[in-house]
Amino acid sequence: DVKVTQSSRYLVKRTGEKVFLECVQDMDHENMFWYRQDPGLGLRLIYFSYDVKMKEKGDIPEGYSVSREKKERFSLILESASTNQTSMYLCASSTSGAYNEQFFGPGTRLTVL
Amino acid sequence: AQKITQTQPGMFVQEKEAVTLDCTYDTSDPSYGLFWYKQPSSGEMIFLIYQGSYDQQNATEGRYSLNFQKARKSANLVISASQLGDSAMYFCAMREGHRGRRALTFGSGTRLQVQP
Repeated sequence: DVKVTQSSRYLVKRTGEKVFLECVQDMDHENMFWYRQDPGLGLRLIYFSYDVKMKEKGDIPEGYSVSREKKERFSLILESASTNQTSMYLCASSTSGAYNEQFFGPGTRLTVL
Repeated sequence: AQKITQTQPGMFVQEKEAVTLDCTYDTSDPSYGLFWYKQPSSGEMIFLIYQGSYDQQNATEGRYSLNFQKARKSANLVISASQLGDSAMYFCAMREGHRGRRALTFGSGTRLQVQP
């Protein structure tokens, strides 16, 4: 079974802190994604990566950066956390096929105080 | 413009009855894929069913089927014989084109509550 894990289920940080959200997948998938989920808005793409060190901005990249130094690991970085970044963050991975399903991690609920 | 529209924020259904969750989409790409995911209260996203734009038949997976009406650009999820465990958020999503971005575009979701 494909497994996507995220470093924390719940995280509380203070405004201005640098925050790292880690995601690891164990199925050698080429693509990895970070989404943000807010009530009434569904999931919105922050960034995705299609190979090591390769990344593309999604729909809402402002205030975020990403890092993919190894194929299995994709990190989301909040350089200076703000209260409007309080949200559920979901990581996903997929193979390179055009219409292959994405496998999701359990999510990290981040609260910024 | 919204690419994926789910107009039902919440739905109720009686146990053992069928329910249809609506999804309409907007794309000018002739090649696309449509996905449905389930998100229980625990938070994980569970893939349910996939329909390709060139598929001739509606997709089915167990109790889930997709009512795909290409001309209307709708891809409604039908759950037959609802169970209490079907209570969850349901998201419709689309991937456009072979050369389009690899990520999915999601709708805002429908919360389904199955009543005993």
